[in-house]
Amino acid sequence: AQTVTQSQPEMSVQEAETVTLSCTYDTSESDYYLFWYKQPPSRQMILVIRQEAYKQQNATENRFSVNFQKAAKSFSLKISDSQLGDAAMYFCAYRRYNNNDMRFGAGTRLTVKP
Amino acid sequence: GAGVSQSPSNKVTEKGKDVELRCDPISGHTALYWYRQSLGQGLEFLIYFQGNSAPDKSGLPSDRFSAERTGGSVSTLTIQRTQQEDSAVYLCASSYRQGSNQPQHFGDGTRLSIL
Repeated sequence: AQTVTQSQPEMSVQEAETVTLSCTYDTSESDYYLFWYKQPPSRQMILVIRQEAYKQQNATENRFSVNFQKAAKSFSLKISDSQLGDAAMYFCAYRRYNNNDMRFGAGTRLTVKP
Repeated sequence: GAGVSQSPSNKVTEKGKDVELRCDPISGHTALYWYRQSLGQGLEFLIYFQGNSAPDKSGLPSDRFSAERTGGSVSTLTIQRTQQEDSAVYLCASSYRQGSNQPQHFGDGTRLSIL
């Protein structure tokens, strides 16, 4: 079974600083996809970034980047130049290649301090 | 807007009643997903529809849960004889087509409270 673990229930960061959210996963598959979703108080889940397991290069989307360590089964999210609007729940998710369901971690609540 | 629409946004009902939750996916999206999010938890996969294929119901927690998708568009999730443990936010998502790398677009969810 695939499981996703986010070991940090809560994190805080000062505005304009950098923060890293941790995620590890358990799988015996070699082909899969990893995602980070953001869920603000509005409840809507918003895709932040995704990574294909076959790609060695870490994905980057503006201020968001990942550190993908396939051997260690680690997929951390780095947010640079944190903004107040980044405050939200962040969920790490795993999806096996050609599989329907996505496995989510329990989430990390990020607070951004002005 | 053109996003995923869910209704109602909030539903309060008594234990034992049946409830129906509605999801209207983004036009043209053939894949539709239902998830359940309990308080402080991640998302639990419930069911998946892809076009006219038979749905993947492997995540439904009990036979009190069912879902249908009419005409390949709107979907309803039905919970019969609701129990207090059914209280959660039910999220619907759609994507352009089946594909592990296709992003899912989520609705705002329905917060279900069972008294």
